[in-house]
Amino acid sequence: DAKTTQPNSMESNEEEPVHLPCNHSTISGTDYIHWYRQLPSQGPEYVIHGLTSNVNNRMASLAIAEDRKSSTLILHRATLRDAAVYYCIPLRGGFKTIFGAGTRLFVKA
Amino acid sequence: GAGVSQSPSNKVTEKGKDVELRCDPISGHTALYWYRQSLGQGLEFLIYFQGNSAPDKSGLPSDRFSAERTGGSVSTLTIQRTQQEDSAVYLCASSFLTGEWETQYFGPGTRLLVL
Repeated sequence: DAKTTQPNSMESNEEEPVHLPCNHSTISGTDYIHWYRQLPSQGPEYVIHGLTSNVNNRMASLAIAEDRKSSTLILHRATLRDAAVYYCIPLRGGFKTIFGAGTRLFVKA
Repeated sequence: GAGVSQSPSNKVTEKGKDVELRCDPISGHTALYWYRQSLGQGLEFLIYFQGNSAPDKSGLPSDRFSAERTGGSVSTLTIQRTQQEDSAVYLCASSFLTGEWETQYFGPGTRLLVL
């Protein structure tokens, strides 16, 4: 299983961009990089995933390094509702998923 | 359509009793996961069912824990002779494998308290 390293916590001001980093230096060539987030008192929810190219969706953007050893989740304008734990997970379908400790994002009004 | 549902929402039991936790996955999803999350901690993988394959039980913490998935749909996680350290939120997720990636959809969890 690929190991990930994420900051324990980060802080952002409301309506400012947030860049959440993740190192996954042991990722295999067929692992997709997934990001999930867990809002307080809820189960995790899918945010975004990618393989090699940068990806955008309505929730966030994902920037993947050329060597795929790191990635960055970008929230373009943080809101108070974005306060959550964000998990970066190298994942290959059909294999078990291992969630790390994630990054707890605090958003200040 | 309906999401993943879990029952009961909350369960309080006495040490030494057995408990059963139920997960109803999204219809058509071939994969089902059980995780455990202690207060303030990350998710701990417990067991993984994928289609008709043998389940991956590598995350079960002891032989007091077992799970089954009947008819490729509903799953039950059973904890025998519960201990206080079993107190946690038990989360179930289901997914549909599409090629080499999958998106997991989580239920609301069952909060277990062992007194």
